[in-house]
Amino acid sequence: DIVMTQTPLSLSVTPGQPASISCKSSQSLLHSGGKTFLYWYLQKPGQPPQLLIYEVSNRFSGVPDRFSGSGSGTDFTLKISRVEAEDVGIYYCMQTIQVPLTFGGGTKVQIK
Amino acid sequence: EVQLVESGGGLVKPGGSLRLSCAASGFTFSSYTMNWVRQAPGKGLEWVSSISGNSTYKFYADSMKGRFTISRDNVKNSLYLQMNSLRAEDTAVYYCARAGGVGLNRAFEIWGQGTMVTVSS
Repeated sequence: DIVMTQTPLSLSVTPGQPASISCKSSQSLLHSGGKTFLYWYLQKPGQPPQLLIYEVSNRFSGVPDRFSGSGSGTDFTLKISRVEAEDVGIYYCMQTIQVPLTFGGGTKVQIK
Repeated sequence: EVQLVESGGGLVKPGGSLRLSCAASGFTFSSYTMNWVRQAPGKGLEWVSSISGNSTYKFYADSMKGRFTISRDNVKNSLYLQMNSLRAEDTAVYYCARAGGVGLNRAFEIWGQGTMVTVSS
C-alpha cells in the first residue's frame, strides 16, 4: 500500500500569514501517462471533505487562488498564501494511482 | 444542483448487516465512477470502495473485501454499499463521493453529507 505522510500534524496561523503543509508518498504518484494523481482536500468542522487541488497543482472550481499546490514524484506541498478564518479545518492529501486509495493522516489548521 | 444524499445508517449489532444508499441528482450518474469513504469518530479519512460507471470495475479496501459489496443502479441514480459481518471497528460516518469522471484515478469532486453507522452490542 502507498503510505501518505503529512506534516505537520497541526498548524496555528495568524490571519493573513502564509501556511504550508507537506505530503510525502512512499511511492511515486507519477503515472506512465504523465499525470500525477495527488489531491488535496479540506474538511471544515462538521462538514464533509471538499476538493481543493487536483493532480498536484490544479485548483478545483471555486477554490480561492490563495491555495496552491506543488511537487512531483513523492513530495508535495499545499500552500495558503494568506490564511483566512474560513480556512480552519483538517487538510488531507490523497493518492489515486494505486488501489487501495490512501489518504494522509491529516493536518489540522487553526487560527491564532 | 449536483447533490449526493446518503441514507441507511444506524445502530447494528456486531455480526449484523446494513445497506447504505446514496441518491444522486443533478448530473448524468452513469458517466461517473462512484466511491465510498469512511471516517471513524475523531479519525481521518479511509477509502472503502469504488465502482465504475457501468459497474464493470469494483475495488475494495482489504479490510472490507468479502464483507462489503458496492453496487449501483444507473436507472435509479443510486449507489449502494451492502455491509455484512459488521465489526465494532466499522463504526464510522460513511460518505458517498463522486469522482471527476469515469476513471479510478480521478479526484473525489462531490461529497455527500454522510451517514453514521454504529456497530455495538
